[in-house]
Parts: sequence; structure tokens; C-alpha cells
Amino acid sequence: QVQLVQSGSELKKPGASVKVSCKASGYTFSRYTMNWVRQAPGQGLEWMGWINTNTGNPTYAQGFTGRFVFSLDTSVSTTYLQISDLKAEDTAVYYCARDGPRGTGDYWGQGTLVTVSS
Amino acid sequence: DIVMTQSPDSLAVSLGERATINCKSSESVLYSSNSKDYLAWFQLKPGQPPKMLIYWASTRESGVPDRFSGSGSGTDFTLTISSLQAEDVAVYYCQQYYSIPITFGQGTRLEIK
Repeated sequence: QVQLVQSGSELKKPGASVKVSCKASGYTFSRYTMNWVRQAPGQGLEWMGWINTNTGNPTYAQGFTGRFVFSLDTSVSTTYLQISDLKAEDTAVYYCARDGPRGTGDYWGQGTLVTVSS
Repeated sequence: DIVMTQSPDSLAVSLGERATINCKSSESVLYSSNSKDYLAWFQLKPGQPPKMLIYWASTRESGVPDRFSGSGSGTDFTLTISSLQAEDVAVYYCQQYYSIPITFGQGTRLEIK
């Protein structure tokens, strides 16, 4: 069965970097684009962008350029979200979500809480 | 960007009663070449990832109870829960995947009256 398993919660200081992983299993990894979605505390769902798992080409939503980088390692069916120069407002749960045949988000990772605090 | 607007922001319904959530897009999300509306509904409960309930505006995801239904086309959509159960307490989001950036509604919080 399809599974997306994300790395665990992170507590970081402002200015640090974090790398969140999302390991896919149960399907052909390179067949479906992977999205990243953010939910800040008390806020709604916000699409950050996606990465083409066949070409490695990322697309970033406005507001997620510069400090945010999507990457992948096809040898282990894993996509990554790296955030640099962390700020308090980056505190959120970050989800990976597959872009499948039924739409964007047919399968989701369990979410990774990133907390930025001094 | 396509703006998705849900109404109401919150809703309290008695157990066994009908719950209706509306979603309006600022542009049509109907793709004429295949006659599909690129609109999905998600359920979000605390501590859990979003769960896709409905895709193509009206197709129920496998395993989703049939009390959940989606309707509408073009710019106006509705999620209906025909008989509210306690486990349906959650925040519901509509999402358009017609064009980039993919956008979500602001969410509707559903509670038991």
C-alpha cells in the first residue's frame, strides 16, 4: 500500500537550517510529483510547491522562494524540504502530499512539526 | 491565483442532521477538454494529516462513508454530510488543483450542536 513517511519533529534556533524528509513506498516513486504543504499554528493549509520526481525540477509558490529548497534522492524514493535561515514564523507542520491520479493530495505524510525558538 | 472562499467559517450541527459547506472559486476550475472540475475536499482532524474525501468535485474517495457527498461545477461547490456523526467533527477544506498555485479555502470548522 502507498505510504509516505516523514522524519520526526525538529526544534531549531532562529538562523539555523532544517531538512525534512518524506520517504515513499508502495508505488513507482518517479511516476508522481510530490507536493509540500504547510500548516502554521491556528492557520489553514498552504501549498508550498512541488517537485517533479522524474526530472527533479522543483516549482515554488510565491512566498516560498529563496530559503526553501525541494530535492530528492530517487535511490531511496525520498523527497526533501530544506529551510535555511529559519525564522519564528516558519514554525509549522510541514506535510508532503502525492500528486496522484485523483488529484493533489491523494496520499499524505504524517506531518513534521518544525519549531523555531530561541 | 484562484481564490477559494468557503462558507460558513464554522458550523454547529446536531448529530444525525445534515451539514452543508460551500466553496466558491474566483475562476472556473472546470477543464473543458475532459469535463472535470479540478476540485477536492479534505478533512483535517487534530494530530492527523489531511484526508481526501472527494475529488473531481463529486467522486468519493475509496473508503469514505457514503454520507459524504460533493456537488457543483464551474465555480460553486458543496460538501454535504447527510447525517452527522460524532467522528465527523473536523475542519474541512476545499482545494482547487486546476492551476498553479494550488489553493485551499480557509477552512470550515464543523462541531456538534
